[in-house]
Amino acid sequence: EAQVTQNPRYLITVTGKKLTVTCSQNMNHEYMSWYRQDPGLGLRQIYYSMNVEVTDKGDVPEGYKVSRKEKRNFPLILESPSPNQTSLYFCASRNFRDRGPGTTKGEQFFGPGTRLTVL
Amino acid sequence: AQSVTQPDIHITVSEGASLELRCNYSYGATPYLFWYVQSPGQGLQLLLKYFSGDTLVQGIKGFEAEFKRSQSSFNLRKPSVHWSDAAEYFCAVGAWRGGSQGNLIFGKGTKLSVKP
Repeated sequence: EAQVTQNPRYLITVTGKKLTVTCSQNMNHEYMSWYRQDPGLGLRQIYYSMNVEVTDKGDVPEGYKVSRKEKRNFPLILESPSPNQTSLYFCASRNFRDRGPGTTKGEQFFGPGTRLTVL
Repeated sequence: AQSVTQPDIHITVSEGASLELRCNYSYGATPYLFWYVQSPGQGLQLLLKYFSGDTLVQGIKGFEAEFKRSQSSFNLRKPSVHWSDAAEYFCAVGAWRGGSQGNLIFGKGTKLSVKP
């Protein structure tokens, strides 16, 4: 089944304790992205990656790091989490190259979300 | 810069009534447009998308949306709402033609409540 997976789904941590949220997709997509969702603010992009070893900042990158060493994985790293990073995080991927009927080109596939609480 | 506005934060409709959720976008060229739905505690599911061609697009769960270039709008409609449609709905614009990075810009969402 084509999907984007995230782990963990729920995480409670304390200020300053480094954490990593993993994201993996099995669709061979070039593009991957991280978003955070906060009430009344919708989804805001944190970082994105156009391909392996190619990453760039989104709209709210402060306090986050990412890496893209393999095409399928795009972990989100919080080196020193703070309470203002308490949020719901989504990973997404999409395909650049699909041109056929019923194409998924342009469609972003989202993971199930990770709810992070930083105390 | 592109942006998406969903003017209604919260809408309540009666089950069986029709629904229209508004979405206005700002973008210099013809955008890619999407509607996603998020049920409570769930991730985002694509309802429908517009890339080009017929301006009335059909999606899943009986939803449709109409692209109106003159109004910069992409409103979502459903003729008869079911209780299971209660969720939050997000409009998004993608602007990856002409070499842009391929990012989606989301509206802030419209929460739909359905009265029995």
